[in-house]
Parts: sequence; C-alpha cells; structure tokens
Amino acid sequence: GAGVSQTPSNKVTEKGKYVELRCDPISGHTALYWYRQSLGQGPEFLIYFQGTGAADDSGLPNDRFFAVRPEGSVSTLKIQRTERGDSAVYLCASSLIRDGGELFFGEGSRLTVL
Amino acid sequence: QKEVEQDPGPLSVPEGAIVSLNCTYSNSAFQYFMWYRQYSRKGPELLMYTYSSGNKEDGRFTAQVDKSSKYISLFIRDSQPSDSATYLCAMKEDFNKFYFGSGTKLNVKP
Repeated sequence: GAGVSQTPSNKVTEKGKYVELRCDPISGHTALYWYRQSLGQGPEFLIYFQGTGAADDSGLPNDRFFAVRPEGSVSTLKIQRTERGDSAVYLCASSLIRDGGELFFGEGSRLTVL
Repeated sequence: QKEVEQDPGPLSVPEGAIVSLNCTYSNSAFQYFMWYRQYSRKGPELLMYTYSSGNKEDGRFTAQVDKSSKYISLFIRDSQPSDSATYLCAMKEDFNKFYFGSGTKLNVKP
C-alpha cells in the first residue's frame, strides 16, 4: 500500500486482557514511531525504531508496554494487563531517516479498555 | 511544564478570515519545527516544515519561527471550511524524537 497501515482500526477489550496493535510502514522507511493520543491531546511519544532496534523507548509508560520490529518493517505494539487508562488512539508513523521532518502517520488504532 | 504549549481553542472564524495559530516551547535545543493538520479520526498530516528562524510560505499557509522568543506561528490566509481541523505544532532536536503540542481545533464557518 501507499501509506502507513494500522490494524485493527478499533479494539475493545476488557481490563486485564492482552492486546496487540500492528503497524505496516511505508516501504523503504527505516524509521518507525509509536505515539499515543488521548482525547483533546497531541500525540505523546512512546517508542522509536531505527531498523530492527529500538533507538529510544523512553516514552513507554511502564513495563506492560512493549514493541517489536523483528525484520525492520512491520511493528507490533503489545500491551499486557490492560487498564482503563490505556484507552487512547495509538498512532504509528514512519519516515526516511534522511528526511528530518516528515512523519507519515497511519490512521491509528483506537483502543477502548472497559 | 510541558515541552510544547499550545492553546487548545476551539477557534471559530468566518470563511475568508486570516487565522493565527501559535505554540511556545521551553527547550532551546529544538531545531526543527513543523505544523501538522489532523482531521477527525484521521492521522496527522504534515503541512509545513521549517528549520531556521523567519518565515516560510506555501500557498495560503505561512509558518513563522522566532527562536529567540521560543515561539512559532502558523498563519492561514483566506481560510476555507475545508481548513476546519485540529492543528498540531511539533518540534525536535537533532535526533528523531518529535514533541507535539496539544493541538488547536479550528472551525471555519461558511
């Protein structure tokens, strides 16, 4: 596809459950980012991958959150023991490392924890 | 204190008006400044990207950066109903960690 693809677009789960959110970046983009956006707020940085490795995971709120990018393309954000406060839109973005400013965002995965 | 401060609005203007959107920041190491537009239930899309202090113009949009005051602005001329969206400022240092403002919701009335 031409853009960043995120699945699922909507996920409703119960407190305590495990969820996985998937991001398929633009082909050839080496940098991949996860952000979390709560209602009425701007995107909040979670983690940044350069290739397969997490270059900066300082935004992950706690050890219930984990992300992987095993082959340097698709990434999965994993949330264990979900809490109601995890409800938000999780945005994925990719960019060419040489292009300093442009992040290409997907449409997000809307997570609701009941 | 947040790294980037942005008035959430909402801002409501008539069609054809000039719109001014602003952000302030505290980190003097920020070097790259961006404005993103986000429609409801969509991901943000890049509008403007600037590096240095001064103005950058693209069609009806002008981005302004004042590093000495740690203040950036986006001006929209001849605003259209299709400009109704949330506008996010974003900025970063050398490395690839972007900081976003909370967004200003704009409504342009026909």
